[in-house]
Amino acid sequence: KAGVTQTPRYLIKTRGQQVTLSCSPISGHRSVSWYQQTPGQGLQFLFEYFSETQRNKGNFPGRFSGRQFSNSRSEMNVSTLELGDSALYLCASSPGTLGEQYFGPGTRLTVT
Amino acid sequence: QKEVEQDPGPLSVPEGAIVSLNCTYSNSAFQYFMWYRQYSRKGPELLMYTYSSGNKEDGRFTAQVDKSSKYISLFIRDSQPSDSATYLCAMSNFGNEKLTFGTGTRLTIIP
Repeated sequence: KAGVTQTPRYLIKTRGQQVTLSCSPISGHRSVSWYQQTPGQGLQFLFEYFSETQRNKGNFPGRFSGRQFSNSRSEMNVSTLELGDSALYLCASSPGTLGEQYFGPGTRLTVT
Repeated sequence: QKEVEQDPGPLSVPEGAIVSLNCTYSNSAFQYFMWYRQYSRKGPELLMYTYSSGNKEDGRFTAQVDKSSKYISLFIRDSQPSDSATYLCAMSNFGNEKLTFGTGTRLTIIP
């Protein structure tokens, strides 16, 4: 079974721009979660989508948003990029119960 | 105070040794406990998943959960250089996909 895939793998953007990241979950998984990983803060939860509905949200500003499509694929958008948004953005999928999550390779975003 | 505390290390041990990695937590609502392994510039890989107190074994890995003490451990037997990575503990509430992670422990196995 194919794992979680994320595109693109690397991105360089300028402050003030916006970016969209994509995630394809494991086949059959209906829940997709997004996390931000930085050296200073570690792994922090952004939000979770299940059956196209945001089911849970972390403590990030409204510039961070996401959505999920009917095929469970998910996108995450960050608007008005700041230097502090430079991070590894990780997507995780699960069947939707019991919290067992599988991560993709991540998208490394650099904001200059 | 963070909900999940994990010693960041770094931890260096000789090949073949038993490695012990630990996390403590303060939120008694956590019901599910996971250990992930993350190699440099890769996504976290799920190693162990438990939801009750006690031990769970998978090959060279043993996960231990003590809910009364709010303490979880991961033991690696017969450690190999390929085990060199950052190990992250993670926890979640019942019915909630949000994972709360420890800071990770960087482990190096010396050949």
